Amino acid sequence: DGGITQSPKYLFRKEGQNVTLSCEQNLNHDAMYWYRQDPGQGLRLIYYSQIVNDFQKGDIAEGYSVSREKKESFPLTVTSAQKNPTAFYLCASSGSQGNTIYFGEGSWLTVV
Amino acid sequence: AQRVTQPEKLLSVFKGAPVELKCNYSYSGSPELFWYVQYSRQRLQLLLRHISRESIKGFTADLNKGETSFHLKKPFAQEEDSAMYYCALSGGNQGGKLIFGQGTELSVKP
Repeated sequence: DGGITQSPKYLFRKEGQNVTLSCEQNLNHDAMYWYRQDPGQGLRLIYYSQIVNDFQKGDIAEGYSVSREKKESFPLTVTSAQKNPTAFYLCASSGSQGNTIYFGEGSWLTVV
Repeated sequence: AQRVTQPEKLLSVFKGAPVELKCNYSYSGSPELFWYVQYSRQRLQLLLRHISRESIKGFTADLNKGETSFHLKKPFAQEEDSAMYYCALSGGNQGGKLIFGQGTELSVKP
């Protein structure tokens, strides 16, 4: 079954802790993205990667970090520096510039 | 600045009524525009893109460069159209990444 898999689906974190969200794709896509979805604000880009071992900051990268060591994987770490981490996080991928972007099912992160 | 604006947070219509979800954009080059839809408990998925000039599930959208708009239209709304709709923009120098609007929740009542 091809597609984008995000895990975990639901995650609770204590304040001050880092947490890593997993994103794996088997679509052989070069580009991968992380978006944050908040009510009334749409989707905002956190980080994106157009090729392995390379990534760029999006509009709201502060408090987040990523890595792209493998083509199929693009994990997102939400650090303790992120002031308002409770949100719905969406991972996406696309084949090349201009191609359709496909989304994962998302991960709900709640900081308690 | 590159921006996508969807002025309506919620649009409520009755079944069979026409529906228009508004989208305006700000971009200095030649953008590619998309509409994405998120049905309840499902992942965000592409509905249509302006370069395809196609109709999906009865929806159409025309890019109006003069008005910088890409409104989504359907002549007769169905209950199953109820969902969250996002307008998005991709530019030639964006590396494929999308800029999204705030989203419009469409509610179609019986």
